Amino acid sequence: QKEVEQNSGPLSVPEGAIASLNCTYSDRGSQSFFWYRQYSGKSPELIMSIYSNGDKEDGRFTAQLNKASQYVSLLIRDSQPSDSATYLCAVPRVGSSYKLIFGSGTRLLVRP
Amino acid sequence: SAVISQKPSRDICQRGTSLTIQCQVDSQVTMMFWYRQQPGQSLTLIATANQGSEATYESGFVIDKFPISRPNLTFSTLTVSNMSPEDSSIYLCSVEDGPVDEQFFGPGTRLTVL
Repeated sequence: QKEVEQNSGPLSVPEGAIASLNCTYSDRGSQSFFWYRQYSGKSPELIMSIYSNGDKEDGRFTAQLNKASQYVSLLIRDSQPSDSATYLCAVPRVGSSYKLIFGSGTRLLVRP
Repeated sequence: SAVISQKPSRDICQRGTSLTIQCQVDSQVTMMFWYRQQPGQSLTLIATANQGSEATYESGFVIDKFPISRPNLTFSTLTVSNMSPEDSSIYLCSVEDGPVDEQFFGPGTRLTVL
């Protein structure tokens, strides 16, 4: 089992819809979780971090964490074509708060 | 968040040669990291660059192949030595900034080895 798993996609949604991106992780001791957005040919950009169970909202983005089920999700409301990118889930290796383990990423395509 | 720059942004190199990538941060940071992103793949941590001491390498990466320097709290270099086509990747530096262990990435160096 991979340490951080994501569906590679592509996930295709129409403009204005809600895009739901999911990530599961294997280590039950994980405490912090990060979502990065990576446009083609660009470096990853941190868009959300979450540390506690429940929802965290920032503009059109909502991160949801369920530690009991070991998954973290990212919802993008009112999706725009400019949201088309690869979304990477990252979880620090347990015992090291800074050694990030990245999922393979989910490619999101927002259709105009 | 810290502003990070990398040089060069891209390079094409011949096999057997070495390339040194520079990472500069606009503020002092304790933690700096080097990642590799192979074509179509996700990011893999190469090493943690420690100021004043040797870098800490992840499994599968060795100092002879990827020597790292960290002379101060704003600068680090990664050298890719004796390159082969398999080293063709994007190399990214990142820094940990702020109170909650968030990492931010530089723009990356796209390396092609012929």
